[in-house]
Amino acid sequence: GQQLNQSPQSMFIQEGEDVSMNCTSSSIFNTWLWYKQDPGEGPVLLIALYKAGELTSNGRLTAQFGITRKDSFLNISASIPSDVGIYFCAGQSGANSKLTFGKGITLSVRP
Amino acid sequence: DAGVIQSPRHEVTEMGQEVTLRCKPISGHDYLFWYRQTMMRGLELLIYFNNNVPIDDSGMPEDRFSAKMPNASFSTLKIQPSEPRDSAVYFCASSLGYGASNQPQHFGDGTRLSIL
Repeated sequence: GQQLNQSPQSMFIQEGEDVSMNCTSSSIFNTWLWYKQDPGEGPVLLIALYKAGELTSNGRLTAQFGITRKDSFLNISASIPSDVGIYFCAGQSGANSKLTFGKGITLSVRP
Repeated sequence: DAGVIQSPRHEVTEMGQEVTLRCKPISGHDYLFWYRQTMMRGLELLIYFNNNVPIDDSGMPEDRFSAKMPNASFSTLKIQPSEPRDSAVYFCASSLGYGASNQPQHFGDGTRLSIL
């Protein structure tokens, strides 16, 4: 089946630093989504991407839909302690196809 | 909007017991999804409904699992009999559409299920 790869499993950064995460697939996706999950809560949508090459920002977050349609990137600038959590990428290959999730990256921010 | 509401938030029960998880989707959303999250397998789609009708239940692990959506504002996921390996966090999500632009899924806060 389709798989999304996110690595490393965990990232540790200092407050104020920028961080970049990527998500790759062997299959083509037509939609890429980035979610964040806080402890004890459900995933919350951060950014949605619907066109290859698209670059979208949401505050300090910027995400890009790779032109090959097989990858996506999420950048967080000037990290703050509340950025701590698990960041999931998700992809959908077409209408009525399942949303496939990556295993997530756990981000820790040292004050 | 209240968002997707799940209950209970936590459930601890003994092996063999019946477990029922509940979900109220966002009003007006036509699609409802049930996911299971574990450390080993991440987020897995179990089943999804469109306009209260089950569309794809290929992710349901075994016959012990069943899901219903009697109306547009309520769905249940039932496990009978429960087993320790069913321990996980179960999420419900809803969306306006599926596979179309600008209609992403919104998740509830999940039910943390522990089977002893």
